[in-house]
Amino acid sequence: QVQLQESGPGLVKPSQTLSLTCTVSGGSISSGDYYWSWIRQPPGKGLEWIGYIYYSGNTYYNPSLKSRVTISVDTSKNQLSLNLNSVTAADTAVYYCARDEGAMIALWGQGTLVTVSS
Amino acid sequence: SYELTQPPSVSVSPGQTATITCSGDRLGDKYICWYQQRPGQSPMLVIYQDYKRPSGIPERISGSNSGNTATLTISGTQAMDEADYYCHVWDSTTAVFGGGTKLIVL
Repeated sequence: QVQLQESGPGLVKPSQTLSLTCTVSGGSISSGDYYWSWIRQPPGKGLEWIGYIYYSGNTYYNPSLKSRVTISVDTSKNQLSLNLNSVTAADTAVYYCARDEGAMIALWGQGTLVTVSS
Repeated sequence: SYELTQPPSVSVSPGQTATITCSGDRLGDKYICWYQQRPGQSPMLVIYQDYKRPSGIPERISGSNSGNTATLTISGTQAMDEADYYCHVWDSTTAVFGGGTKLIVL
């Protein structure tokens, strides 16, 4: 079955760019009517939607993060990417990639903790 | 921006019925889903399109959505149901999560 695996640095310095990759295995990232999403969860807090890229290539971002976020897809590698620039300690969180089928996420990655600290 | 409001915590005795609410403006006009998240795990979909259960989710977990409030109901609550629960909707082209409710099984 389709699986998602996040990867990237676990520690990022303030003001730098957080870059994560999500590898899709068991299926093609370019097939189907899906919204490939990034969601984060600060330690001890709730879920926050970051944004998604539709299979057509359109992107939509959380208005509160829009100025700092870029989500892209590399179909040749079957990967989804997240770039978040100018990070601060408030960006410390577990970052999940997920496949949204339209107001329902049945497939989540295991998540990766990113800490912003000098 | 659209907001969803959940109670921070709900307590229930084993075997009793737990009710978790999610409130939002004209929420009944949208499809809602619910996720269960146990400590250290990724969220898991337990209800979608207001009341539908994914394969493997027991019938004692049910959902409804009307007016400004959606409800997740867990009947015959078990210790394994102790977790955080999040509601989720789409508002136009953005996704919105509720703040989460910790279900405590006493």
